Amino acid sequence: GAGVSQSPRYKVAKRGQDVALRCDPISGHVSLFWYQQALGQGPEFLTYFQNEAQLDKSGLPSDRFFAERPEGSVSTLKIQRTQQEDSAVYLCASSLYQSSGNTIYFGEGSWLTVV
Amino acid sequence: QQPVQSPQAVILREGEDAVINCSSSKALYSVHWYRQKHGEAPVFLMILLKGGEQKGHEKISASFNEKKQQSSLYLTASQLSYSGTYFCGTEIGGYSTLTFGKGTMLLVSP
Repeated sequence: GAGVSQSPRYKVAKRGQDVALRCDPISGHVSLFWYQQALGQGPEFLTYFQNEAQLDKSGLPSDRFFAERPEGSVSTLKIQRTQQEDSAVYLCASSLYQSSGNTIYFGEGSWLTVV
Repeated sequence: QQPVQSPQAVILREGEDAVINCSSSKALYSVHWYRQKHGEAPVFLMILLKGGEQKGHEKISASFNEKKQQSSLYLTASQLSYSGTYFCGTEIGGYSTLTFGKGTMLLVSP
C-alpha cells in the first residue's frame, strides 16, 4: 500500500479484556517497529522486527504485551488483560532497510482507551 | 536516554522563523525529525547522519553537531501548515530504533 496502515483506528476496551492491534507496513519494508505514545508525549519504543524475527522487545512494558510478525509483513500487537495505564496511541512504523540512518514511516496509530 | 528538546512550545506569526533544538547525552549515529498534527501520524521531515549527510525536506533545514550531540531544526518563513508538534528521534546505531524527545509544540498564527 501507499503507507503504513493500522487497524482498528479506535478501540475502547473494558479493563481485563484482550485486544489485538494490526499493522500493515509499506510493501517490501524489512523493518517494523511498534511504539506507544501517551497524550502529550513522544513515541516510546516497544519492539522491533526484521522480517519475521523479533530482534528487540526490550520496550514491552509487561508480559501482557506480545507482538508477532509471522510472515514478515503484517504484524499484530496483542495486549492481554488490559489495564487503564495501557490507554495510549499505539504507532506502527516501517523502514525499507535494516541498517541505520534510514527513513522510518509511521502509521496513524491505533487509539486504545481502557475503561 | 531520551533526548532533550527545547523549547517546549513556540508561538509564531506567519512568516517568522523558529529554531528547535535537540540534545543527547549519548554519541549519536543520526537524528531524525518528525512533525505530528493532532490525531495524525508523525510525518518524516529530515534525517541528519553522522558525517554530515542530510536527507529531507526542501523548505526546512537542520544541523547536526556531532561533537556536542546536538541537532537544530530551522523553520524559516513559517506557514500556517507548519503548526504541530515536532519530535526529534535519535539513533545510536545498529538497526534504526529511534528514541524520541518529548516534543516541541509550534503554533503559527495568521
